[in-house]
Amino acid sequence: SQTIHQWPATLVQPVGSPLSLECTVEGTSNPNLYWYRQAAGRGLQLLFYSVGIGQISSEVPQNLSASRPQDRQFILSSKKLLLSDSGFYLCAWSVRGGRSNEQFFGPGTRLTVL
Amino acid sequence: QKEVEQNSGPLSVPEGAIASLNCTYSDRGSQSFFWYRQYSGKSPELIMSIYSNGDKEDGRFTAQLNKASQYVSLLIRDSQPSDSATYLCAVKKDSNYQLIWGAGTKLIIKP
Repeated sequence: SQTIHQWPATLVQPVGSPLSLECTVEGTSNPNLYWYRQAAGRGLQLLFYSVGIGQISSEVPQNLSASRPQDRQFILSSKKLLLSDSGFYLCAWSVRGGRSNEQFFGPGTRLTVL
Repeated sequence: QKEVEQNSGPLSVPEGAIASLNCTYSDRGSQSFFWYRQYSGKSPELIMSIYSNGDKEDGRFTAQLNKASQYVSLLIRDSQPSDSATYLCAVKKDSNYQLIWGAGTKLIIKP
């Protein structure tokens, strides 16, 4: 069965510090991968999605970036965090080319920027 | 107008009753529709997918889709306190990998 991992689970970072969040998927090949952010009490905001190694589409212009160095690895980064970057970061995967695009989420990383 | 709209709630339902959650969407080209459950502090969990008009049942859950009226609903029968969560509606637009998300409805099941 498929499993998606995210780490760390929680993170407290000062403003201006760098960020690196990692997501890996097991049990499937060639997945579509997604990064979402959820602010407290809010809906899901799609940040990036990827349909293959090195292929990244950005949905929201901001100080975040994403990379996909391997088929089942997706990384979210920032050079300098802002207070507004605080939130719950979720990685998700779906079957590439699947008609339905059911998305399955990892456990998430709760980021607090102070 | 938001692309996917849900009543934010909270929706309070007594234990054992039917909980009814609604979602409307704006794009008539939408193809696939999903309901996710999100417990406080946890990630969303897919509970139902529906692609055709009508009802789809899975245990205590029934999803209903009406493309003509552009709404999708989720019914939870015999509601349990463990059903208390935020329920997110998501819609897949035509020929696109992305899901468009509603802001969620908070459901509270009272013992």
